[in-house]
Amino acid sequence: DTEVTQTPKHLVMGMTNKKSLKCEQHMGHRAMYWYKQKAKKPPELMFVYSYEKLSINESVPSRFSPECPNSSLLNLHLHALQPEDSALYLCASSHNPPGGGNQPQHFGDGTRLSIL
Amino acid sequence: GEDVEQSLFLSVREGDSSVINCTYTDSSSTYLYWYKQEPGAGLQLLTYIFSNMDMKQDQRLTVLLNKKDKHLSLRIADTQTGDSAIYFCAVEGGTDKLIFGTGTRLQVFP
Repeated sequence: DTEVTQTPKHLVMGMTNKKSLKCEQHMGHRAMYWYKQKAKKPPELMFVYSYEKLSINESVPSRFSPECPNSSLLNLHLHALQPEDSALYLCASSHNPPGGGNQPQHFGDGTRLSIL
Repeated sequence: GEDVEQSLFLSVREGDSSVINCTYTDSSSTYLYWYKQEPGAGLQLLTYIFSNMDMKQDQRLTVLLNKKDKHLSLRIADTQTGDSAIYFCAVEGGTDKLIFGTGTRLQVFP
């Protein structure tokens, strides 16, 4: 069982829809991450939040909008997505943020997103 | 930037040992990690090794690190069908972001 919980597990949306992905952890971790993973590829980092502030944005298109309401929650708001955005979206958390020493990241099971 | 490479596929017989290899280009990583991904699931942290260690053993898993050759390996003893998955190595790039390898698909046959 993963200690990082993501909802929903699957999401199908049209290109004009607005939806949100949610991630929750109760391990007291100070950093949370969003990754995008295409089939048969490694995860690609999108965003990093450290102490609830956005610290890294890997040049992600503005149709993806992250939000960190509190230290346990991380959202990814989606709007006007393209078919190529279909992928597995993974959330992760670590005790220390990047640059803070050993920070093994713990992953959720992801949301499989399909854009019609 | 950091480049992390793995062989794409490994097939082993149940009960044999599996060795998954990983090479990287940047030696500044303090910790190096191994993750397992089963179909339809996220990444499960298997183990990690501190960069000043050569070897770490954790039950059926043995991690070997050769810093000179920038080579990391994961040995799974007595491989079981439940070990079938994709295995990713990961190193810390600049600002300690994780850089993942290309992934190795391990297939275990009876």
